[in-house]
Amino acid sequence: KNEVEQSPQNLTAQEGEFITINCSYSVGISALHWLQQHPGGGIVSLFMLSSGKKKHGRLIATINIQEKHSSLHITASHPRDSAVYICAVLRSYNTDKLIFGTGTRLQVFP
Amino acid sequence: NAGVTQTPKFRVLKTGQSMTLLCAQDMNHEYMYWYRQDPGMGLRLIHYSVGEGTTAKGEVPDGYNVSRLKKQNFLLGLESAAPSQTSVYFCASSYSTLGNEQYFGPGTRLTVT
Repeated sequence: KNEVEQSPQNLTAQEGEFITINCSYSVGISALHWLQQHPGGGIVSLFMLSSGKKKHGRLIATINIQEKHSSLHITASHPRDSAVYICAVLRSYNTDKLIFGTGTRLQVFP
Repeated sequence: NAGVTQTPKFRVLKTGQSMTLLCAQDMNHEYMYWYRQDPGMGLRLIHYSVGEGTTAKGEVPDGYNVSRLKKQNFLLGLESAAPSQTSVYFCASSYSTLGNEQYFGPGTRLTVT
């Protein structure tokens, strides 16, 4: 079983919809990252969080350490949000490396 | 600032050939990483470096070697390429791992025939 699991694997939405992507992990962590990979392949970091909630524009990330779960929400989705969203965790007993989920592919249609 | 750059962007190799991928960063980051990305799998760490002159193995190091002679550069070498090394390779860097985000290069698409 993977240490980091994302759901759903694929997601389609109409423009304007509220979107939620989930990430569950089975190891102790010191931080969790959300990354975005655009169709061209480039990867950018969206959030790093170790507790609570962070917001940037239309993106909101939350984490529940006790439940080993994080969510990424997109409000008022737009076609330019179409990308693969990747969750990665920094294990608390080995802080040099990230463990990555396999990603959630999001397509937003006009 | 250019951020993290990778050369080349694309390469086709024949089985048994060798090549070196170059990663450069201009952010004075201590940590640098090489990942590979394959369909249906998450990014997997090949090798990493926590500072100039240091290297360490990641999850999938076999068939690869690395060097970090200068702080800004991290080289990934394939001594004898195999079809199983067909992948997209990403380099990344971070100031440190604790609480710091990683900055990724644009990727190198390598095909081994």
